[in-house]
Amino acid sequence: DAEITQSPRHKITETGRQVTLACHQTWNHNNMFWYRQDLGHGLRLIHYSYGVQDTNKGEVSDGYSVSRSNTEDLPLTLESAASSQTSVYFCASSESGYGRDGNTEAFFGQGTRLTVV
Amino acid sequence: AQSVTQPDIHITVSEGASLELRCNYSYGATPYLFWYVQSPGQGLQLLLKYFSGDTLVQGIKGFEAEFKRSQSSFNLRKPSVHWSDAAEYFCAVGAGNQGGKLIFGQGTELSVKP
Repeated sequence: DAEITQSPRHKITETGRQVTLACHQTWNHNNMFWYRQDLGHGLRLIHYSYGVQDTNKGEVSDGYSVSRSNTEDLPLTLESAASSQTSVYFCASSESGYGRDGNTEAFFGQGTRLTVV
Repeated sequence: AQSVTQPDIHITVSEGASLELRCNYSYGATPYLFWYVQSPGQGLQLLLKYFSGDTLVQGIKGFEAEFKRSQSSFNLRKPSVHWSDAAEYFCAVGAGNQGGKLIFGQGTELSVKP
């Protein structure tokens, strides 16, 4: 079965370190997204990609970067981790557009809990 | 600007009772609307979605939602809650013309009393 997997599931890192969170999907979806989840804010979009070599900034992109070298992967990098980036991170993927029947939905990974100390 | 508001942060209902979770959105055009559920330590699972047509949409696990354009609302309902429904529920609106790019509400945590 197709799936979307994130690794690691849990990570503790120190302030100032570079951290990369992995996201791999086997749906063959063009669209991939990174969200962060914080209490009181729901999920907020960090970066997204509509295809290979395409990346775009979301609502809360400062301090984060992504690259898309193939269809399956969209790694999220924290250039210099800060305590404010302690959060749960979710990767998602979807087909392009909304489709004729509006059947495009986002499929989410299990999340990565990142703690910056 | 597009936004989604879930007015209730936490709701407690008794098992077997009916449930309604509120969602209000702000969006200029016809919205694409979604409800997702998140069980503890898990990712998000799609419950149902509205794109067009019938304003009452049916989802998985016995949930339904009604789109009311005049009230800018998309409330989630279930006639009889089960203990396994305890989870966090998120309402979201599709942003732009690509699936997966979503604006989420703050979430409503549902607790179920035996």
